[in-house]
Amino acid sequence: KAGVTQTPRYLIKTRGQQVTLSCSPISGHRSVSWYQQTPGQGLQFLFEYFSETQRNKGNFPGRFSGRQFSNSRSEMNVSTLELGDSALYLCASGDSGETQYFGPGTRLLVL
Amino acid sequence: AQSVTQLGSHVSVSEGALVLLRCNYSSSVPPYLFWYVQYPNQGLQLLLKYTTGATLVKGINGFEAEFKKSETSFHLTKPSAHMSDAAEYFCAALPTGFQKLVFGTGTRLLVSP
Repeated sequence: KAGVTQTPRYLIKTRGQQVTLSCSPISGHRSVSWYQQTPGQGLQFLFEYFSETQRNKGNFPGRFSGRQFSNSRSEMNVSTLELGDSALYLCASGDSGETQYFGPGTRLLVL
Repeated sequence: AQSVTQLGSHVSVSEGALVLLRCNYSSSVPPYLFWYVQYPNQGLQLLLKYTTGATLVKGINGFEAEFKKSETSFHLTKPSAHMSDAAEYFCAALPTGFQKLVFGTGTRLLVSP
């Protein structure tokens, strides 16, 4: 089976812009979670979707949003970008069990 | 709230030496526990996991971890380090009933020849 794919792999944006990141989970997986990784804060949970419904949400401002489509693909959107949003954004997919499998990440640089 | 503590942000070993990376979790109800490895410019790769059953868990690349409830620990070991093991290692907990991994701060493993 193909692994989790994320596009794009790298992005450069300027402050105030918005960005959309995409994640395709492993075939058959219905859960998609998003994490932000920064040197200062480490790995932090953003949100989790299961069958197009957001089930869990982390402590991030409303500028961070997501959605999941009927084919389980997920997108994450960040509006009004700030310098502090520069990070590696990781997507993870899971089946009905407890294990999450991660994609290669999208590295976002905000200038 | 669940938290995970990894002792030592950096661990240095010689090639062929024992690798020991420490992880403690904070919960009276043991969560599911995981070790992930991250190589530069890559995502996280699952090394091993503990859910229920046998407390000694074997993973990929010769790594294993032992769940000790009395010590709330889940330390990662490998008998003999290889240069290719140099990477950052993350311990994570999944609280029961939540699909939200809580990560430790990571330990960078350095392997010298």
